[in-house]
Amino acid sequence: NAGVTQTPKFQVLKTGQSMTLQCAQDMNHNSMYWYRQDPGMGLRLIYYSASEGTTDKGEVPNGYNVSRLNKREFSLRLESAAPSQTSVYFCASSYSPGQGLGQPQHFGDGTRLSIL
Amino acid sequence: RKEVEQDPGPFNVPEGATVAFNCTYSNSASQSFFWYRQDCRKEPKLLMSVYSSGNEDGRFTAQLNRASQYISLLIRDSKLSDSATYLCVVIKYGNKLVFGAGTILRVKS
Repeated sequence: NAGVTQTPKFQVLKTGQSMTLQCAQDMNHNSMYWYRQDPGMGLRLIYYSASEGTTDKGEVPNGYNVSRLNKREFSLRLESAAPSQTSVYFCASSYSPGQGLGQPQHFGDGTRLSIL
Repeated sequence: RKEVEQDPGPFNVPEGATVAFNCTYSNSASQSFFWYRQDCRKEPKLLMSVYSSGNEDGRFTAQLNRASQYISLLIRDSKLSDSATYLCVVIKYGNKLVFGAGTILRVKS
């Protein structure tokens, strides 16, 4: 049982390059999330998808786009990478049966992205 | 002011010690609370949920104080393997989690 799978695990980009981070979950979860983690900042929500077909901005969406391709997959795209986007990116998923019911999230093992 | 605040530590304790972390949150409408554990360069993993009446899981005890808006985690009989960063997590509404920056625990022999 893979859980949440992220690819790639490491990536180095030059400023201005674009790339897509991939995330897939096999737990039949409805909701998926993208976070970034920077030293001393904790995890910050970039975008989330409460259910298939919907996406919403989180705390730090600027410079990113997302696509909920199907129930399993949720991708994060950097259209023009900037050094400020150097970070560790985590994808997560949860089973959200309804609004107001807090559900823990399961995380992928992260993508370490460096922008030069 | 951050929505969820934690003492970053590090807390350096000997094996067998009891250690406690606190976490404060600013939004009184917060609904659900969790402690996650994150090992160095790894993903966060759920340690335990925090219930209003307090709850225990082996050596770990979590408490919630809604009036003062803080949650706590107590670890008894610390093990070397408890060394990690402990993240306080709050859900305000729906399923959007807000993470604290984490408290570093180092257990030494």
